[in-house]
Amino acid sequence: QVQLQESGPGLVKPSETLSLTCTVSGGSMNNYYWSWIRQPPGKGLEWIGCIYYSGFTNYNPSLKSRVTISVDTSKNQFSLKVNSVTAADTAVYYCARGGHYDSRAYFDRWGQGTLVTVSS
Amino acid sequence: DIQMTQSPSTLSASVGDRVTITCRASQSITSWLAWYQQKPGNAPNLLIYKASTLESGVPSRFSGSGSGTEFTLTISSLQPDDFATYYCQQYNIYPFTFGPGTKVDIK
Repeated sequence: QVQLQESGPGLVKPSETLSLTCTVSGGSMNNYYWSWIRQPPGKGLEWIGCIYYSGFTNYNPSLKSRVTISVDTSKNQFSLKVNSVTAADTAVYYCARGGHYDSRAYFDRWGQGTLVTVSS
Repeated sequence: DIQMTQSPSTLSASVGDRVTITCRASQSITSWLAWYQQKPGNAPNLLIYKASTLESGVPSRFSGSGSGTEFTLTISSLQPDDFATYYCQQYNIYPFTFGPGTKVDIK
């Protein structure tokens, strides 16, 4: 059973860079799309972007200028960086598994989520 | 972007009730729609994909229907474990987008 686990700092200062890593266990990353999704406290879900195991990426235009997603299949990990954060980036960040070969993705496996607070 | 709306935003129901949630897309997404259940403090859990396909392990009291721009999630007989927030998600076109959620609470 594939499991995902987010890791990274829970507190980031305004204007700095948010960095998170998702470790995939119990299965291979090959041939899947892997996404980051966030949820501000008490609000709905926002898809941030995704990466194919080969490195192809697609980002939400609302965040594209500030976001980088990368993958390291040798470590079974993929990562998220969000630059120039503000309080509006405070959210629970989830990593999730998306499509198998197919870029059209629903999310069948999720990490437990990690709360990142942007505050000085 | 494709905008997703859900109705109602909150639904009060009793155990045993039949519950229906509606999700609408701002343009056709054919059948590229998923439904998730989320409980407080937990990640969303996939219930249905491709509008009507039940994810493995999900109870058969959950069902989905629709195509194009209008979709429904039905719970045939609400159980205590079903009180939660439900989200729809389109995956026809990037960026993938979610509905605002429907909270099902106890009447």
